[in-house]
Amino acid sequence: GENVEQHPSTLSVQEGDSAVIKCTYSDSASNYFPWYKQELGKRPQLIIDIRSNVGEKKDQRIAVTLNKTAKHFSLHITETQPEDSAVYFCAGPNQAGTALIFGKGTTLSVSS
Amino acid sequence: DTAVSQTPKYLVTQMGNDKSIKCEQNLGHDTMYWYKQDSKKFLKIMFSYNNKELIINETVPNRFSPKSPDKAHLNLHINSLELGDSAVYFCASSQIQTNTEAFFGQGTRLTVV
Repeated sequence: GENVEQHPSTLSVQEGDSAVIKCTYSDSASNYFPWYKQELGKRPQLIIDIRSNVGEKKDQRIAVTLNKTAKHFSLHITETQPEDSAVYFCAGPNQAGTALIFGKGTTLSVSS
Repeated sequence: DTAVSQTPKYLVTQMGNDKSIKCEQNLGHDTMYWYKQDSKKFLKIMFSYNNKELIINETVPNRFSPKSPDKAHLNLHINSLELGDSAVYFCASSQIQTNTEAFFGQGTRLTVV
């Protein structure tokens, strides 16, 4: 719903490590859970999304898991690389279902 | 082919001026949005239009007036610009409001001096 809470706000990892970013939402009716990546100076772009009828979705090194009972979904990046450094946003619908509300973002820094 | 295009990319203007940002999408989407991204990177929804009709008007000052001449265009006009309006403004579109991918324009970096 209106509240999409995202943690952590910053995350620093060494190249090759895994990174996990978590979002919680308040609207039980939410059924679409996207993650966006925004590189410095660029537009946000969808990297992966999941719908409520599945619990996990993978695309190469990234995955999203959904726990509808606990109302949270997480982004997992394995074998991180410097080019993964960016701001990542989760999103969910507002209460009226008329717009995507974004979490406050997580700045991921991958150092080599 | 640019899916969502907005102009200008950069806009520097003085306080008190009026300016417009234009947005067009060629994806055939029904819904278009304006988001404001401040220096802390928060992406905040400002307006949402569905088939040219205003759906959302968040707590945005009246100085901001969106206009949608058709469902492929959503322009943003700002009157009496203030220093606090400095931000990056993103236009976006999606097919079905919240259940599908939103595509963003390149952003307009507005600097009010």
